Amino acid sequence: KAGVTQTPRYLIKTRGQQVTLSCSPISGHRSVSWYQQTPGQGLQFLFEYFSETQRNKGNFPGRFSGRQFSNSRSEMNVSTLELGDSALYLCASSLGTGLAKNIQYFGAGTRLSVL
Amino acid sequence: KNEVEQSPQNLTAQEGEFITINCSYSVGISALHWLQQHPGGGIVSLFMLSSGKKKHGRLIATINIQEKHSSLHITASHPRDSAVYICAVRNGNQFYFGTGTSLTVIP
Repeated sequence: KAGVTQTPRYLIKTRGQQVTLSCSPISGHRSVSWYQQTPGQGLQFLFEYFSETQRNKGNFPGRFSGRQFSNSRSEMNVSTLELGDSALYLCASSLGTGLAKNIQYFGAGTRLSVL
Repeated sequence: KNEVEQSPQNLTAQEGEFITINCSYSVGISALHWLQQHPGGGIVSLFMLSSGKKKHGRLIATINIQEKHSSLHITASHPRDSAVYICAVRNGNQFYFGTGTSLTVIP
């Protein structure tokens, strides 16, 4: 069974641009969560989707958005990029919703650099 | 104040040593997770706990809900155990992470 696939692996953007990251979950998994990891803040929860609906959202500004498609694939979008958005963005999938109910399987991440 | 605190931040051990990493949290939780992150970023979920103790190979995780504390133990440590270990909890609709413990096991 293929694991969680994130594309692209690396991305370089400039301030003010927007970016879309993609995540393909493990086949059969309906929940996808997104996380941001930076050296200063560590791992932080962005949002969680289940069956195309956003179930939970972390404390991030509205520039960060996401969606989930009917095949459970998910995208996250960051608009008007800032230098502080440089981070490793991780996607995780699980059968159900939330850490509390199911083990999450992480992708390798997309490393975004904003110049 | 961080909702999840881990100690130590950094740990160096000789191969074969018994290792303990601690996690304390200040919020009510439904489950606690231990994650392992290797250089390069890949994260693996090691354990999900809501009570008691779990064991997988040389890894043991315990949780004390009353004391809001969890420990991850590694017996007979090996250089391939070198990684960052992260404690994570869920409180309602929010997820909180510790800052991680960087473990280096020297041959």
